[in-house]
Amino acid sequence: AQSVAQPEDQVNVAEGNPLTVKCTYSVSGNPYLFWYVQYPNRGLQFLLKYITGDNLVKGSYGFEAEFNKSQTSFHLKKPSALVSDSALYFCAVRDMGSSASKIIFGSGTRLSIRP
Amino acid sequence: EAQVTQNPRYLITVTGKKLTVTCSQNMNHEYMSWYRQDPGLGLRQIYYSMNVEVTDKGDVPEGYKVSRKEKRNFPLILESPSPNQTSLYFCASSLSGTAYGYTFGSGTRLTVV
Repeated sequence: AQSVAQPEDQVNVAEGNPLTVKCTYSVSGNPYLFWYVQYPNRGLQFLLKYITGDNLVKGSYGFEAEFNKSQTSFHLKKPSALVSDSALYFCAVRDMGSSASKIIFGSGTRLSIRP
Repeated sequence: EAQVTQNPRYLITVTGKKLTVTCSQNMNHEYMSWYRQDPGLGLRQIYYSMNVEVTDKGDVPEGYKVSRKEKRNFPLILESPSPNQTSLYFCASSLSGTAYGYTFGSGTRLTVV
């Protein structure tokens, strides 16, 4: 069975500092991995994905994520946080080898950037 | 503009009164899905559809129905809503399967009293 965990409910960072939002996953085969962001009263927006290839994936709004197969992690990062990055972030995974066409979402991490 | 459109955005209804939440996409996507979002639980899949006339259950299908008669539309039907179906609902679509990212609708906040 596939699963994804976001161990932190909330992450607080000062503006201008680097940020990391953690995600770990469990799949039986190779994973497809995704990050989404949700702003208040909005649907989820796609940020980036890892399918195969380079372990460092770059996405929208200056975000990037690093795929680490040995640690089964896919942490979201940004070198310099902005107040406008404050939102709810979801990690998601799909088992590439699974016949079930389903993406599993984590419980979300609320990112708060203080000025 | 490429988008997924859900209606209504907000709905308050009473227990047992049938309702339908509509979802439409203009991107010719084959794959569509419904999720509910509850605090601390993230997003849980209700139903999904791989293509027209092809639907299947997700993780929490009880109390819901769907249909996919046309490629662009994927309505969510609650035949007899109950208070435990009070939630934020999202429709999502994808070009083909789930190897691609989803495009989400803006959500429908449903309250069942």
